[in-house]
Amino acid sequence: NAGVTQTPKFQVLKTGQSMTLQCAQDMNHNSMYWYRQDPGMGLRLIYYSASEGTTDKGEVPNGYNVSRLNKREFSLRLESAAPSQTSVYFCASSAQTGNQETQYFGPGTRLLVL
Amino acid sequence: GQSLEQPSEVTAVEGAIVQINCTYQTSGFYGLSWYQQHDGGAPTFLSYNGLDGLEETGRFSSFLSRSDSYGYLLLQELQMKDSASYFCAVERGDKIIFGKGTRLHILP
Repeated sequence: NAGVTQTPKFQVLKTGQSMTLQCAQDMNHNSMYWYRQDPGMGLRLIYYSASEGTTDKGEVPNGYNVSRLNKREFSLRLESAAPSQTSVYFCASSAQTGNQETQYFGPGTRLLVL
Repeated sequence: GQSLEQPSEVTAVEGAIVQINCTYQTSGFYGLSWYQQHDGGAPTFLSYNGLDGLEETGRFSSFLSRSDSYGYLLLQELQMKDSASYFCAVERGDKIIFGKGTRLHILP
């Protein structure tokens, strides 16, 4: 049981390049999320998927697209990377027990855009 | 709107007790959660308060008062390994909203 996995762990891009961050979970969770974390800004939600086949914008969606490929996988795409997208990206999935929702995070992808 | 406010940094001494506060301006949420994140690591779930009052899990306790829009995380018998960032969070619909985090520094 690997939990939430993300690839790659590190990436360096040049401005204008594109890339896809991969995320997979093996906990059979319905909901999955993409966050970015910048110093002093906490975790900001980019996109989320409440169930297979649905995606919704979060707080900072501009410059990103997502695909919920199946229940396990949720990918994040940068079509034309910009230096402002230099950040640490976390994928998460969540489990609901009654009114309590617990998020499980992947190890993160550290992205540098030059 | 919705926001959660936490102190950006707190410093305490090893073996002591420290309280990290979280005030929120949101409504219609189910409860308050706390997450811990070590440098270079991913956030991990610590505790959840669905009802007002105190929840205890080992050295960590968390408190919620909906009437005061306030909660806190209490860490006792501090250890150096508790040096980390701590985030409060509330669930709103399909999303979880996180505070900006409190960096806890522990002095020997």
